[in-house]
Amino acid sequence: AQKVTQAQTEISVVEKEDVTLDCVYETRDTTYYLFWYKQPPSGELVFLIRRNSFDEQNEISGRYSWNFQKSTSSFNFTITASQVVDSAVYFCALSEKGGGNKLTFGTGTQLKVEL
Amino acid sequence: EPEVTQTPSHQVTQMGQEVILRCVPISNHLYFYWYRQILGQKVEFLVSFYNNEISEKSEIFDDQFSVERPDGSNFTLKIRSTKLEDSAMYFCASRGGDSYNEQFFGPGTRLTVL
Repeated sequence: AQKVTQAQTEISVVEKEDVTLDCVYETRDTTYYLFWYKQPPSGELVFLIRRNSFDEQNEISGRYSWNFQKSTSSFNFTITASQVVDSAVYFCALSEKGGGNKLTFGTGTQLKVEL
Repeated sequence: EPEVTQTPSHQVTQMGQEVILRCVPISNHLYFYWYRQILGQKVEFLVSFYNNEISEKSEIFDDQFSVERPDGSNFTLKIRSTKLEDSAMYFCASRGGDSYNEQFFGPGTRLTVL
């Protein structure tokens, strides 16, 4: 069965600090996909990034970067120079190719960025 | 940019009433999903739909729930007899044909059962 764990319930940082959100996953499939979604206070779910299990190359997109490590089953997300607009709940999610591609979400990390 | 839309944004209903939540997925997408999020909790999978039939459903998706794609654009979730514990945000999502494609979510319908 697939499972996603986000151990950090809430993180508070001061603007311009870097922050890393942790995600650990469990799956029996050899082919799977990992995602990060952002849920701002308005409530919608905004797709941020997808990673395939066969592609461990890390990625940087502007202030966002992702570190995917199969050896530790982790898919961590770092925001560099955080801004108040980054305040949101961030969800890590997993889908298995053999599981109909439904998303299993973690419990989310509430990020608060203060001035 | 194409997007998933959902109506209504907020639905208030009495316990025991039937509700229908509506979604218009992105037009060339083939796979459709419903998820729900009880306030302050994680997003939970309800059901997936492909080729006009349910492909998978969770244990939450009991006989009180049903889905339908009545025409080429709408995708609906019906709750036959609502309970207090059905109060949640319901999200519709759709994705394209390849396994690795991300799901795009609608803005959600907040269902309040009184």
